[in-house]
Amino acid sequence: GENVEQHPSTLSVQEGDSAVIKCTYSDSASNYFPWYKQELGKRPQLIIDIRSNVGEKKDQRIAVTLNKTAKHFSLHITETQPEDSAVYFCAAWGDSNYQLIWGAGTKLIIKP
Amino acid sequence: GAGVSQSPSNKVTEKGKDVELRCDPISGHTALYWYRQSLGQGLEFLIYFQGNSAPDKSGLPSDRFSAERTGGSVSTLTIQRTQQEDSAVYLCASSLHDRGAGELFFGEGSRLTVL
Repeated sequence: GENVEQHPSTLSVQEGDSAVIKCTYSDSASNYFPWYKQELGKRPQLIIDIRSNVGEKKDQRIAVTLNKTAKHFSLHITETQPEDSAVYFCAAWGDSNYQLIWGAGTKLIIKP
Repeated sequence: GAGVSQSPSNKVTEKGKDVELRCDPISGHTALYWYRQSLGQGLEFLIYFQGNSAPDKSGLPSDRFSAERTGGSVSTLTIQRTQQEDSAVYLCASSLHDRGAGELFFGEGSRLTVL
């Protein structure tokens, strides 16, 4: 079945710098890749997603890139701000297993 | 309602007692999920409901856990004979999309503490 690995588990960056979180997946049939942000004590919320027919998607300071050949996708946050501090989860979905498989999460810390 | 509603928000119980957690999904959402999140950990899939199809129970950790969804709307997660390791936040999510192929809307969760 599908397996999603997420790295790093913790990422600390200076405010204003960029942050990159990477995920790899095992099932080449996976075709939908969302990213969720969970602030401390809050619910996870979708921040961006990408489908396998595109290689990159951008929404203001966040972007997601997908490399289908290498089976990895990444979340990029530019000009980080204190409110970006949270845990970020990646996930993969495909119609071979019909289930959303989650990464273990990355705790992003923005240093002032 | 406007979002996914879960109750209770906090539940403290004694080991061995049964608990029921409720989830009221967004109106019209046919897909409903239960997840468990221990402190500082990721999302552990428990069970998935989709319309009138048989639920996917593959994530339930033991036979002490069960869930039902009545009338395709409200869902109840029941934990029997609670153990201390059941302490966690139980998150419910609903979606318009089949089996996770689109956005999941999460509730605020029910924090369960087993003493």
